[in-house]
Amino acid sequence: GQNIDQPTEMTATEGAIVQINCTYQTSGFNGLFWYQQHAGEAPTFLSYNVLDGLEEKGRFSSFLSRSKGYSYLLLKELQMKDSASYLCAVQGSGAGSYQLTFGKGTKLSVIP
Amino acid sequence: SAVISQKPSRDICQRGTSLTIQCQVDSQVTMMFWYRQQPGQSLTLIATANQGSEATYESGFVIDKFPISRPNLTFSTLTVSNMSPEDSSIYLCSVDADDRGISTDTQYFGPGTRLTVL
Repeated sequence: GQNIDQPTEMTATEGAIVQINCTYQTSGFNGLFWYQQHAGEAPTFLSYNVLDGLEEKGRFSSFLSRSKGYSYLLLKELQMKDSASYLCAVQGSGAGSYQLTFGKGTKLSVIP
Repeated sequence: SAVISQKPSRDICQRGTSLTIQCQVDSQVTMMFWYRQQPGQSLTLIATANQGSEATYESGFVIDKFPISRPNLTFSTLTVSNMSPEDSSIYLCSVDADDRGISTDTQYFGPGTRLTVL
């Protein structure tokens, strides 16, 4: 089975940097995803990590350590519109390897 | 990514009735997925729908409660049967394909159907 943990809520100031952590214990691993979900909307894809290391995409970066079962999403130069829930999801391996298991999400509030 | 639409976008239903949710994709895709997101919770996979075969259900979900159709490569339906207030949730379909229908490692989600059962 899969167990994915991330903080429930975080608050950060506009213009600052915030790091959202995700730890996982899984029976198989094919990759880790981060999604952004604004209230009342569907999740939108942010990043995908398969190999260890940092993937940078503009203001957002995602890091993965497979040996530690750990990932983080780094948001720089925070904007008010970044207030949303951020979902960590793990893709399994073997049969059904396309399936995603989601964490409960971290609700980020950006304040002026 | 593939463009995904869902109907209805929201509905309010009476206990004991059934609702069928439609998911349409603008390209032919092999697999479509149905998720549920209960209030304040994350997404839970209900089933995977492949064209030409029966859907594969996750633990805790059964075909009698959530029958799924997949008549072709661009369309699927999920029915929530004999509804109760506990079925109040957002239901989302997703595909792991780009706008040409080519499989990718990433899943893209439709806008969701917000269901309230009274």
